[in-house]
Amino acid sequence: DARVTQTPRDKVTEMGQEVTMRCQPILGHNTVFWYRQTMMQGLELLAYFRNRAPLDDSGMPKDRFSAEMPDATLATLKIQPSEPRDSAVYFCASGSGTSGGEPGELFFGEGSRLTVL
Amino acid sequence: AQSVTQLDSQVPVFEEAPVELRCNYSSSVSVYLFWYVQYPNQGLQLLLKYLSGSTLVKGINGFEAEFNKSQTSFHLRKPSVHISDTAEYFCAVSDHSGYALNFGKGTSLLVTP
Repeated sequence: DARVTQTPRDKVTEMGQEVTMRCQPILGHNTVFWYRQTMMQGLELLAYFRNRAPLDDSGMPKDRFSAEMPDATLATLKIQPSEPRDSAVYFCASGSGTSGGEPGELFFGEGSRLTVL
Repeated sequence: AQSVTQLDSQVPVFEEAPVELRCNYSSSVSVYLFWYVQYPNQGLQLLLKYLSGSTLVKGINGFEAEFNKSQTSFHLRKPSVHISDTAEYFCAVSDHSGYALNFGKGTSLLVTP
């Protein structure tokens, strides 16, 4: 049963600490997305990759957030230093296009719930 | 840029009643439209999508949606809801690059006996 795997599921940390969230996309998927979900803002796109190359990270605060794909089986989202306003659920999603070039389904992980005290 | 507005933040409905969740989109280019569902403490999963062709699309769990270009809408409907349909529903849009989805704020559907 193919699924997107995210770790950690829950993370509580103190302000100023570094946080790294990891995502294992579904094997064979060539696009990977990071979303952040909060009650106030809903789902916000932070960054996405296609074939491991970053396509857009304009939704991400550049001074403290960074997203990478060191290989096809791992995507990371790092926050350094973390702040209370970063508290949210962070979702990773992966997908692939259809043969006709249309977007396929996005498969979401179960999320990483981050609480910054 | 494309965006969607979900007109209702919460929709309470009785079991076996019909329901419509409203979504309007804004875009200057052709778009793809999606509905996703999120059950508590889970990620989102695709209900249905409109890419091209027939404006009435059918999805999983008995849901359907109709693309209306003149109204810039993509409302989600189900003729008879179940308790298990209680969840958060998200409308999303992407342009024809098809890479990134922009989601609405979500509509919480609460089905009661």
